[in-house]
Parts: sequence; C-alpha cells; structure tokens
Amino acid sequence: EVQLVESGGALVQAGGSLRLSCAASGLTVSNTYMTWVRQAPGQGLEWVSVIYTNDYTHYADSVEGRFTISRDNSKNSLDLQMNSLREEDTAMYYCARVIRGNHWFDSWGRGTLVTVSS
Amino acid sequence: EIVMTQSPATLSVSPGERVTLSCRASQSVSSDVAWYQQKPGQAPGLLIYGASTRATGVPARFSGSGSGTEFSLTISSLQSEDLGIYYCQQYNNWPPAFPFGPGTKVDI
Repeated sequence: EVQLVESGGALVQAGGSLRLSCAASGLTVSNTYMTWVRQAPGQGLEWVSVIYTNDYTHYADSVEGRFTISRDNSKNSLDLQMNSLREEDTAMYYCARVIRGNHWFDSWGRGTLVTVSS
Repeated sequence: EIVMTQSPATLSVSPGERVTLSCRASQSVSSDVAWYQQKPGQAPGLLIYGASTRATGVPARFSGSGSGTEFSLTISSLQSEDLGIYYCQQYNNWPPAFPFGPGTKVDI
C-alpha cells in the first residue's frame, strides 16, 4: 500500500524560506513521477510542480523561480524548497504520485500547512 | 494554456438522486481527464481517469464520460458519504501542467 506523509509546514514571514518533505512508503521515489499540489484556505486545487524519473522538472508559473522540487533517494522522499515566500503561498501542500505516461494522480498524502504572514 | 471550467458551482441534492457534474476544457484534451473527490477535511482522492475509467475501489455508482472538450461525472444514486467537492483535471499538454477545474460542491 502506498503511503505519503508530508511534513515541514509552518508559519513563516513573507520573504522567508521553507522546505517541505514527503516521506514515501510502498513506492520508490526514484522510480516514480511525483508532484506537489496546493490548496489555499477555502479554495480549489492548484498544481505546483512535477518531477520525472529522469530528473526533468516543471513548475506552475506562480512558483517558477522560487520553488524547487527534488528527491532524496536515501530517504525515499520528495522535497519542495520554497523561497521568497508570499502571502498567496499560504496553503495546504499535498504530495501525490503521478502515473507515468498518463499523468493522473493516484495516491495523495494528507498535506502539510504553510502559512505566510506579512 | 488549457483552462478547465466546471458547472454548477454548487449542487444541493437528496440521497438516492442521480447527479451529473460537468467539466469543459478550453481546447481539446482527447480523453485525458481525471476526476477527484475531496471530502470535508480530507485530501483529494482519484475517482476517474482516462475520462471514464474508475479508479481502484471506486463504487460503480460513479461513472465518467466525454472526450474532446466536454466531460461529465455521474453519480447514479447519491449516498450521504458522497458529499464533498469534485474536481476535474486535464493532463494532455506539454510541458506538463495539470490544471484543475474550480470544483463542484455537492451538498446533501
């Protein structure tokens, strides 16, 4: 059974940095496409970033140049380094597994909350 | 950029009713649409992929249809545990970007 557990969410000031992690079990992150999705309070889902097994990465325009997605194969985890945080980055951040070649998200974590204050 | 829209924004229904949710893409996405269910206080979960294939463990009362730009999710007989928000998503583009629709909230 696939399990994804996010951590690292916190209250941070605008302009600050935060690193989120997603610990995986039941899958090997190095062999899996993975993604981050966020949800602002009371709002819908917003795709953030994806990483492929060949280390190809892509980002939503709203986070391009500020966020970096990566893997830690030794920990079997997915990370999201978030810099230059803005109030509008306040959200619950979910990691999910992406089905290779088809790109739907079949397993999700429970999320970690990031709050950016001014 | 492909934009996904959903209608209605909110649907108030009674248990046992047949419910149809709509999703539209701003340009053709073939059958590359997924539907997700988000129950209150929970993470989203995959319901449908490839526009019409139910994910593992999804009850048969859920069905998806459509191709091109018009898609729908039907719940044949609504159960109380089906309340929540339903999102469609397309995954037919390069570079990869996976926009979600704004969601349809189903109230019991």
